[in-house]
Order: sequence, then C-alpha cells, then structure tokens
Amino acid sequence: GAVVSQHPSRVICKSGTSVKIECRSLDFQATTMFWYRQFPKQSLMLMATSNEGSKATYEQGVEKDKFLINHASLTLSTLTVTSAHPEDSSFYICSASTRKGETQYFGPGTRLLVL
Amino acid sequence: AQSVTQLGSHVSVSEGALVLLRCNYSSSVPPYLFWYVQYPNQGLQLLLKYTTGATLVKGINGFEAEFKKSETSFHLTKPSAHMSDAAEYFCAVSDQPGTALIFGKGTTLSVSS
Repeated sequence: GAVVSQHPSRVICKSGTSVKIECRSLDFQATTMFWYRQFPKQSLMLMATSNEGSKATYEQGVEKDKFLINHASLTLSTLTVTSAHPEDSSFYICSASTRKGETQYFGPGTRLLVL
Repeated sequence: AQSVTQLGSHVSVSEGALVLLRCNYSSSVPPYLFWYVQYPNQGLQLLLKYTTGATLVKGINGFEAEFKKSETSFHLTKPSAHMSDAAEYFCAVSDQPGTALIFGKGTTLSVSS
C-alpha cells in the first residue's frame, strides 16, 4: 500500500522556538495532504488541508500564522510550529490522498514536546 | 455537518471472543466510511472502507464492517479476537473522495487471555 513518512518522529524543543515537521508520500503523488493534531487519549482533529501549489485551508480556531503549512511538491508538505509553547505539545499526524483518492494514507506521526 | 459517534470508549474481550465496535454517523450526503487502527505512538492504519457497492466490507486482519443506511451505522466486527488486536480504533466519515475525515473519539480495545 501507499506509504507516508514523517520526520522527525519525536522532537523536544524550548518554548519560543520553531519546529518544522515534514510529511512525504514515498510512492505516490499526493495532490492533497492533511494535518491533524491528537491530544493524549483523544481523537484526531483536522488542523488544515493542503493542496499542492496553493495556500492551505485552515480549520476554525487554528492560527495560520502559528502553524505554517507549505505544500511545495506532490510528495512533500511541511508544518512549521512557530514560537512553540507548552500547550502546542501534541501528536501531529499528516495524511495524504491522491487525485482520485478515496483513501487517506497516514504518516506515523510526530510527537512534539515543548518545554 | 457530518459527525461520528463511537459508542463505548473502552471495550474488553477475551481472546477468541467476538469483537464488536460500534460506530454511528450523521451525514447529509452518501457517506464514505472508514475504520482505522492505531497502536501506541504510531499513526493510523486503514482497516477497511466503504465507498459504494457492497454494504458488507471485509478488511485486513479478519475485520469486517457492514454499512446500514437505515441505522446510520458502520459497526466493526471480528469473529475471534487475538491479543494483537489490542489497540485504539477510530471510525471516520467523509463526504467526498479525498476530503478531510471526521473522526469519532475512538474505542480502546483490550484483549485478555
């Protein structure tokens, strides 16, 4: 099946720093990528939808200036958490779908801990 | 607006017993329905999906689910639980192919020997 990777798998940073998370579709072209956030023992909440070559669409309540999303190619999307704070600590998961795509393929997630 | 309700945040079964995880959805259009499994500190793995056609869908690891429009349900079953089935299970819905998924809150499945 289709493979989506995320890097890094885990990151610890100091409050106020910025962190970039990469999401790659390894064996298919992803016209759309999604970024989700998952707090402990909770479900996934959609943060934003990213289409290649265009600006991301953010869900209500998600600060676009804080969570910068770039989808520069059909195989790569990045999420940058700017000026991270402890409340941004979470599990960030990306998914990707093809142009035809009925199915989203999920990455393994990135655990962010902000101290 | 679409939504998903998973009844029972925690289900416990014995090894070899039937697994039944409940999912009800609401959607104003014909839904696309999915079940995903998540192991600790990992991403989501697709178990099965319903888009169109046959309402009984078979997935990986012996799981299956039946789409019942009249009941707005998509319950997940497995005839015989295995210890390796212990994980978090998420039901999700979307209204079009390739659009964002709306997830239920998840059900933790525990399997005892």
